[in-house]
Amino acid sequence: GIQVEQSPPDLILQEGANSTLRCNFSDSVNNLQWFHQNPWGQLINLFYIPSGTKQNGRLSATTVATERYSLLYISSSQTTDSGVYFCAVEYGNKLVFGAGTILRVKS
Amino acid sequence: NAGVMQNPRHLVRRRGQEARLRCSPMKGHSHVYWYRQLPEEGLKFMVYLQKENIIDESGMPKERFSAEFPKEGPSILRIQQVVRGDSAAYFCASSPPWTESDEQFFGPGTRLTVL
Repeated sequence: GIQVEQSPPDLILQEGANSTLRCNFSDSVNNLQWFHQNPWGQLINLFYIPSGTKQNGRLSATTVATERYSLLYISSSQTTDSGVYFCAVEYGNKLVFGAGTILRVKS
Repeated sequence: NAGVMQNPRHLVRRRGQEARLRCSPMKGHSHVYWYRQLPEEGLKFMVYLQKENIIDESGMPKERFSAEFPKEGPSILRIQQVVRGDSAAYFCASSPPWTESDEQFFGPGTRLTVL
């Protein structure tokens, strides 16, 4: 089956810093989604991004489908950005998730 | 437009009991998916359903687990004779008809604890 790898596995930032999270996948996919799992365990949809670039406030994402990777950019990080960021690719009828990047933003 | 709803949010069962988890998809969504998140792990696909049909159950354990999405009412994930290893967060997701989009939206999850 498809492999989805996220890096880095964990990241500690000072409030206000920028970061880039990466997602590599091993096969062609129909779509890709980024999620934020907050400390209460809820999964929040960030981006639905099969290809191209999207921006939403301080967050933006780019997927280069031909090279099988996606990037999530967080600018001017805030403590509320803390949590786990998951990339998931649609493969067949299901989403296949990466292991996530644990982000801790310190004030 | 309410999001995906799951209940209960927390469920405690003793070994050998049954667990029933419910999921109501977003209005207008006809596809339901169940995922399981074991402690300190990512989410793993279990089953994909449409109304009255199981489309893909390749991620479901072969025994004790079943799922349904009846014509009326919520989707149900049923775990019979629970064991400690079933303790996990169970998430339901829904998506609209594929003519619109295949983006999946997740509910808040049900956290199952087996004593």
